[in-house]
Amino acid sequence: DTGVSQNPRHKITKRGQNVTFRCDPISEHNRLYWYRQTLGQGPEFLTYFQNEAQLEKSRLLSDRFSAERPKGSFSTLEIQRTEQGDSAMYLCASSPRGLATGELFFGEGSRLTVL
Amino acid sequence: AQSVTQLDSQVPVFEEAPVELRCNYSSSVSVYLFWYVQYPNQGLQLLLKYLSGSTLVKGINGFEAEFNKSQTSFHLRKPSVHISDTAEYFCAGGSYNQGGKLIFGQGTELSVKP
Repeated sequence: DTGVSQNPRHKITKRGQNVTFRCDPISEHNRLYWYRQTLGQGPEFLTYFQNEAQLEKSRLLSDRFSAERPKGSFSTLEIQRTEQGDSAMYLCASSPRGLATGELFFGEGSRLTVL
Repeated sequence: AQSVTQLDSQVPVFEEAPVELRCNYSSSVSVYLFWYVQYPNQGLQLLLKYLSGSTLVKGINGFEAEFNKSQTSFHLRKPSVHISDTAEYFCAGGSYNQGGKLIFGQGTELSVKP
């Protein structure tokens, strides 16, 4: 399977715990995006990387959220001291190098439930 | 501000009937437009995209959309739907100076009934 891979697919945690999600993009894609999707809503942009550089962060990304892409390949999204409002589907997407045509290739998402 | 608005949150339709899902965008996201489909517990799959050129765009599964600059719309249509088309549909837009970031609409739930 050469698509975008995310894990874990599901995570249930207690409020206050830390969680980390991993995304493996399509291998030749240099841009990687994180989105958050809550029930009944469209995906909301969180942040994106070009290679290892984090080029933009949304205001939705509070200080408890941190994303990394250390070698320009896979990326991690960590949420510290989780809150019930963090419950959502976290989607990762990638796009190829060069002039962006805009098409994003999405993974199947990581669903977080905070109890 | 950039925005994409889907005018209907739910669209119920009978099998084999035509359907139109409506999408309007702000001019700042007019460079390229997309429709994605999401089945339950899955990621988003691209249905079709408009980058430039012909304003009528054909996609997978018999869907098509028309880019209308004067009305800032990008409505999705299918002449005859199937039960398997039941899913959530998202309109999205972006521009080249935004790093490839897409702005999504709120989604339209298409429910096809037998």
